[in-house]
Amino acid sequence: EVQLVESGGGLIQPGGSLRLSCAASGFDVSSNYMNWVRQAPGKGLEWVSIMYDGGRTDYADSVKGRFTISRDNSKNTLYLQMDSLRAEDTAVYYCTSPDYGRYWGQGTLVTVSS
Amino acid sequence: DIVMTQSPDSLAVSLGERATINCKSSQSVLYSSNNNNYLAWFQKKPGQPPKLLIYWASTRESGVPDRFSGGGSGTNFSLTIDSLQAEDVAVYYCHQYYTVPPTFGQGTKLEIK
Repeated sequence: EVQLVESGGGLIQPGGSLRLSCAASGFDVSSNYMNWVRQAPGKGLEWVSIMYDGGRTDYADSVKGRFTISRDNSKNTLYLQMDSLRAEDTAVYYCTSPDYGRYWGQGTLVTVSS
Repeated sequence: DIVMTQSPDSLAVSLGERATINCKSSQSVLYSSNNNNYLAWFQKKPGQPPKLLIYWASTRESGVPDRFSGGGSGTNFSLTIDSLQAEDVAVYYCHQYYTVPPTFGQGTKLEIK
């Protein structure tokens, strides 16, 4: 059974940093397209970032230069390093795979507020 | 970026009746070399992650009831829910994965009339 489990969310002040983790089981993060998708309170779904199986990455314009996606193959874990956080980054963050979204974690809430 | 526009924004349907949600993409999501439409549909309930219902525009995900069906090609797509059940109350999203950035429709809120 495939499981994706996110962690690392919390309350952070504007300008701060957080690192989200997505631990996978029954599934190889290095062999699949892995995405981060977020949902702000009362809003729709927004794609954030992708890491392809070959290691190439891409980002939404809204987070480019502030967020970094990475993975640790030995831990079968995907990460999202979030720097220079803004109030508008407040959302539930999900990791998901593959590109059409068969597997989703339960999400982790990030709240950016002073 | 490909803009996904759903209609209607909200929909109220009686139990046992049919619900249809439409999704239009600003450019085609049909990949001619494999004749696949890179279009998925999700069901989203509060406090839960999105649930994949349909991918490749019309392929039902394993375990999804057959009252859910997807159709369309190119730029116009639809999700149909036959014989609406109480548990189908949710927000539904279409999603294109044809190109980066992947994009979602704004969502359609489905309620019971």
